[in-house]
Amino acid sequence: QKEVEQDPGPLSVPEGAIVSLNCTYSNSAFQYFMWYRQYSRKGPELLMYTYSSGNKEDGRFTAQVDKSSKYISLFIRDSQPSDSATYLCAMSGAAAGNKLTFGGGTRVLVKP
Amino acid sequence: EPEVTQTPSHQVTQMGQEVILRCVPISNHLYFYWYRQILGQKVEFLVSFYNNEISEKSEIFDDQFSVERPDGSNFTLKIRSTKLEDSAMYFCASIPTEMNTEAFFGQGTRLTVV
Repeated sequence: QKEVEQDPGPLSVPEGAIVSLNCTYSNSAFQYFMWYRQYSRKGPELLMYTYSSGNKEDGRFTAQVDKSSKYISLFIRDSQPSDSATYLCAMSGAAAGNKLTFGGGTRVLVKP
Repeated sequence: EPEVTQTPSHQVTQMGQEVILRCVPISNHLYFYWYRQILGQKVEFLVSFYNNEISEKSEIFDDQFSVERPDGSNFTLKIRSTKLEDSAMYFCASIPTEMNTEAFFGQGTRLTVV
């Protein structure tokens, strides 16, 4: 079983729709959860960072963490064509400076 | 806004040659990392660096790889004898404090080994 599983997509939605992304993980030591956006051949750009179960909202983005189910989600409201990218979930353990373990990424296409 | 800077953006090298990838992390950050991403695959951890020494390394980070922070600002990844399978995007990242917190990535160096 992979440590972090993420549906590769592609996920195609019309402009203005809600994009729903998720990751599951198997390692209960993961305590910090991040979502990154990556454009082709570019570096990951941090979107959301959470460390507790529940919801965190930032503008059009909402991150959810359910540690009991080992499941995290990212929702993008009012999606725009510029949101078309690959979205990566990443997580790390609690020890200082722990490395990130990434999911494989979900490719999202927002059609105008 | 502070950012992680990587140079060069693209490096082409012949198999067996040495390459050095350079990074300038965000000022005052404490932990530094190298990750790589082979085309079409997931981002993989290579090595972490703290207090001028390696704190963790992956199985990928074998004897042909080395890292150093020679002058307190630059953070380099050296590959001594490149192989075709070293072709990938290499990303530098840093985090600001000893607590696990947001990791900021550079734009990457695309390494092509021919």
